[in-house]
Amino acid sequence: DAGVIQSPRHEVTEMGQEVTLRCKPISGHDYLFWYRQTMMRGLELLIYFNNNVPIDDSGMPEDRFSAKMPNASFSTLKIQPSEPRDSAVYFCASSSRGQGLRGNIQYFGAGTRLSVL
Amino acid sequence: EDKVVQSPLSLVVHEGDTVTLNCSYEVTNFRSLLWYKQEKKAPTFLFMLTSSGIEKKSGRLSSILDKKELFSILNITATQTGDSAVYLCAVATDKLIFGTGTRLQVFP
Repeated sequence: DAGVIQSPRHEVTEMGQEVTLRCKPISGHDYLFWYRQTMMRGLELLIYFNNNVPIDDSGMPEDRFSAKMPNASFSTLKIQPSEPRDSAVYFCASSSRGQGLRGNIQYFGAGTRLSVL
Repeated sequence: EDKVVQSPLSLVVHEGDTVTLNCSYEVTNFRSLLWYKQEKKAPTFLFMLTSSGIEKKSGRLSSILDKKELFSILNITATQTGDSAVYLCAVATDKLIFGTGTRLQVFP
């Protein structure tokens, strides 16, 4: 398997613009997670899905952030409008709870480095 | 509130040294504890521990969990420059709760 695939790898945009980050989870995985990582706050969970349904979005910082998972192989994280404080690395991860305890292991994509000027 | 605390925050050693990284936690609904290594990109999985006292080993890395005292340690023996990274501890509940990580720098 190719692993979790994220795009783009880097995104530079201006304040106020809409940003869309994309993720393709590992085939067969039924959980998908979106994280944000900064030096100040470390790795923060934003939202996660089970079988395409959002389960916990308590980490989404503001209404400017939204996430969707229209099918088992694709998810998006959208920021509209973007602000400089949104600059961070955004990771997507997936896991499969059907594997028992090994389902706790999340596999991460390479991340999208977002810079909002 | 679920919490995972790692120490030290940062560690600088020379090649060949042995290091011990610490992780303590307070969570409800504990399922397992995981260690990840993060170099300049994505965190990569190292170990998962579910039972106390059983050591997991992979080459020069080893880890053990104490569910009574609520902590885990990650040992790296004979460190190499390639071990330089941030080591993340995470506890699995219905999601992963990550610590802030320990930044390890190994110099020749």
